[in-house]
Amino acid sequence: DIQMTQSPASLSASLGETISIECRASEDIYSNLAWYQQKSGKSPQLLIYAANRLQDGVPSRFSGSGSGTQYSLKISGMQPEDEGDYFCLQGSKFPLTFGSGTKLEIK
Amino acid sequence: EVQLVESGGGLVQPGRSLKLSCLASGFTFSNYGMNWIRQAPGKGLEWVASISSSSSYIYYADTVKGRFTISRDNAKNTLYLQMTSLRSEDTALYYCARSIPPRFAYWGQGTLVTVSS
Repeated sequence: DIQMTQSPASLSASLGETISIECRASEDIYSNLAWYQQKSGKSPQLLIYAANRLQDGVPSRFSGSGSGTQYSLKISGMQPEDEGDYFCLQGSKFPLTFGSGTKLEIK
Repeated sequence: EVQLVESGGGLVQPGRSLKLSCLASGFTFSNYGMNWIRQAPGKGLEWVASISSSSSYIYYADTVKGRFTISRDNAKNTLYLQMTSLRSEDTALYYCARSIPPRFAYWGQGTLVTVSS
C-alpha cells in the first residue's frame, strides 16, 4: 500500500500569511493527488486535483505543486475562512490512501 | 445541482449488519464511478470502497474486505454499502462521493454508524 505522510499535523497562521502543507508518498504517485479542506462539522471539499489543478470555484490563493513522491498545498494569504482540516489523497493505486491531516488555525 | 444523500446509519451491535444507501440526483448517475469514505469521530478520512459506473470494477480497503459489499442500482440512482460482521472500529460517519479517484468533487453529508453493545 502507498503510505502518505502529511506534515505538519497542525499549523497556526496570521491573516495574510502564506502557508504550505506537505504530503510525501512512499512511492511515485505520478501526480495522482488531490487536496481537500474540511471545516468543522462539514463534508470535505475538493481544492486541488492532479497535484496542481484548481477545482472550479476554489479561490486562486490555493495552489498545489509537486511530482513523484513530494507534493505541497500552498495558501497565499491566509483568510479567516481557511481555518479547518486539510487532507491529501493519492489516487495512483488502490487502496486509496489519505494523509493524516493538518489542522490549520488562525493565530 | 448535484446532490448525494446518504441514509441507513444508526446504532448496531457488534457482529450485526447494516446497509447504507446514497441517493444521487442532479446528474446522470450511470456515467460516474462512486465511492464510500468514512471518518471515525475526531479522526481523519479513510477510503472504504469504490465502484465503477457499470459495476465492472470494485475495490475495497483491506480493513473491510470480505465484510462490506459496495453495489449500485443505476435505475434507482442509488449507491449501497452492505456492511456485515460490524466491529467497534467501524464506528464512523460514512460519506458517499462521486467520480474517479482522487478527484471527489461531490460528497454527501454523511450518515453515522455506531457499533456498540
